[in-house]
Amino acid sequence: DSGVTQTPKHLITATGQRVTLRCSPRSGDLSVYWYQQSLDQGLQFLIHYYNGEERAKGNILERFSAQQFPDLHSELNLSSLELGDSALYFCASSVASGGQVDTQYFGPGTRLTVL
Amino acid sequence: DQQVKQNSPSLSVQEGRISILNCDYTNSMFDYFLWYKKYPAEGPTFLISISSIKDKNEDGRFTVFLNKSAKHLSLHIVPSQPGDSAVYFCAARPSGTYKYIFGTGTRLKVLA
Repeated sequence: DSGVTQTPKHLITATGQRVTLRCSPRSGDLSVYWYQQSLDQGLQFLIHYYNGEERAKGNILERFSAQQFPDLHSELNLSSLELGDSALYFCASSVASGGQVDTQYFGPGTRLTVL
Repeated sequence: DQQVKQNSPSLSVQEGRISILNCDYTNSMFDYFLWYKKYPAEGPTFLISISSIKDKNEDGRFTVFLNKSAKHLSLHIVPSQPGDSAVYFCAARPSGTYKYIFGTGTRLKVLA
């Protein structure tokens, strides 16, 4: 158990819908990262937050948005869902701000299926 | 454009022998490289990292080698154990950023 929790574990929805994925980082961790893993693909970096501020963006679609709240939990919002958005979405947390490499602790992931 | 490549999707090794997992990259501006291990239905777990200013880092049975001229990274596991059977991802961080770029993974199977 990494100490990072993600809810829900599974999510099945229809095209065009909107969903929210939630992540609670390990106690004391200020950084949250979001990744997408599609079938047979590596983890695609989506976005990084540190203490409530967005620090880096990867190949995140405009239909996707995220935020980190004052209690440090984070939400990833996916809207106008398409079949290709079906994937595993991982959240990871770490202590450092990212200036030095730090160990990221990953949650178990949310499996999103868009029908 | 895949900046971090793991060209071997799978690898089988006998228990007790050495496992060598490879990773190639194209961007000279990566300053850190990392290896993660992933079991089914779990998130990736950090294994070992190496700074671009080093060429080797060791942690127990795991050693990472970095060949900057060849833009090549490898993870050695000695001796391999059945519990090492998992998918291994290499990752790299572009210098001065907070991003991490992952390869597509290599599935390692250690045969008892």
